[in-house]
Amino acid sequence: KQEVTQIPAALSVPEGENLVLNCSFTDSAIYNLQWFRQDPGKGLTSLLLIQSSQREQTSGRLNASLDKSSGRSTLYIAASQPGDSATYLCAASPGSRLTFGEGTQLTVNP
Amino acid sequence: DTGVSQNPRHKITKRGQNVTFRCDPISEHNRLYWYRQTLGQGPEFLTYFQNEAQLEKSRLLSDRFSAERPKGSFSTLEIQRTEQGDSAMYLCASSLGAGAVGEQYFGPGTRLTVT
Repeated sequence: KQEVTQIPAALSVPEGENLVLNCSFTDSAIYNLQWFRQDPGKGLTSLLLIQSSQREQTSGRLNASLDKSSGRSTLYIAASQPGDSATYLCAASPGSRLTFGEGTQLTVNP
Repeated sequence: DTGVSQNPRHKITKRGQNVTFRCDPISEHNRLYWYRQTLGQGPEFLTYFQNEAQLEKSRLLSDRFSAERPKGSFSTLEIQRTEQGDSAMYLCASSLGAGAVGEQYFGPGTRLTVT
């Protein structure tokens, strides 16, 4: 059974700081790994999808990496802004379903 | 708006009542998923459809839950005889694909409160 863990559970940083969110998964037989953002009481917004054959994906100030052999993915956020405050979720896909971690709650202070 | 839509956005019901939620996926997406999310947790998979066929169901989907996607377009999720433990956010997602899972796009969710 796939299990996904995210560390840290919560993170508070000053505006402008670069930061890294961590995600680990127990079963390396995945098709892809997806990072999402969730604002309070809202649905999920897809940020980045990394296919199993890829090592990383970039979108603007976001960069996500994938190391299947070690069961790890990281989400790097450059030059953080208060608008980045949200919960960030990673999800691994061994097949049809996504298995989610519990998320990292990020607060960026002005 | 061409994203995934869900209705209603909020539902308050009394224990023992039946409720039904609707999801309209992105129009060209052939796969549709239902997830449930409780406070402070990540979403948990419930079931998914490829076109009109329900291909996988989680053990979380008890006999009181039923999902349909009759024409391979919108989907409904019904909960019968609701219990307080059913209170959660119900999320729908869709994707395009035939083999490996494509990128899933989520709707805004339906928040269910059972009193």
